Amino acid sequence: DAGVIQSPRHEVTEMGQEVTLRCKPISGHDYLFWYRQTMMRGLELLIYFNNNVPIDDSGMPEDRFSAKMPNASFSTLKIQPSEPRDSAVYFCASSLGRHGGGYTFGSGTRLTVV
Amino acid sequence: AQKITQTQPGMFVQEKEAVTLDCTYDTSDQSYGLFWYKQPSSGEMIFLIYQGSYDEQNATEGRYSLNFQKARKSANLVISASQLGDSAMYFCAMREIQQGDDKIIFGKGTRLHILP
Repeated sequence: DAGVIQSPRHEVTEMGQEVTLRCKPISGHDYLFWYRQTMMRGLELLIYFNNNVPIDDSGMPEDRFSAKMPNASFSTLKIQPSEPRDSAVYFCASSLGRHGGGYTFGSGTRLTVV
Repeated sequence: AQKITQTQPGMFVQEKEAVTLDCTYDTSDQSYGLFWYKQPSSGEMIFLIYQGSYDEQNATEGRYSLNFQKARKSANLVISASQLGDSAMYFCAMREIQQGDDKIIFGKGTRLHILP
């Protein structure tokens, strides 16, 4: 298995533009998580899905952020409009089942909003 | 309230020495899991070790072991015979089910520097 695949690896965009981050989880995994990592706040959970259904989006900063999982093999995190304070590394992770193991993380997308 | 506490923001250790990275957690769940992840300077998150709350034995994975003390709510990571490649950020994390939620929350991390 290729692991969790995120794209793009790096994204530089201008303030006000729409940004879409993509994630392909490990085949067969039923949980998918989006995290954001910054120096100030560490790793924050934004949203997670179970069987493609959003379960908890309480970590989504504001309405500018939205996430979808149209099928078991694909998820997107969209920021519209983007702001400089959204600059961070965004990780997608997937797992199988609840307890009994860790998440497998993707390589992350480094987003810079200028 | 902070659920995962890592009190050591940074550590310097001589190569080949053993290292203990501290982690305490807070939960009212009976069933939970504890994890350690490593994040090298390249940025990826690498899963190291897992301990279930009902596991009686401390988890071990090669040079990594988790010193699980349930009554004290601590889950320290021990790295034996440290190597230069162990220099990285280390995150302690907990997975709990709370009111139907199921998610992993991370501590702030400890940056480990291995000195030659």
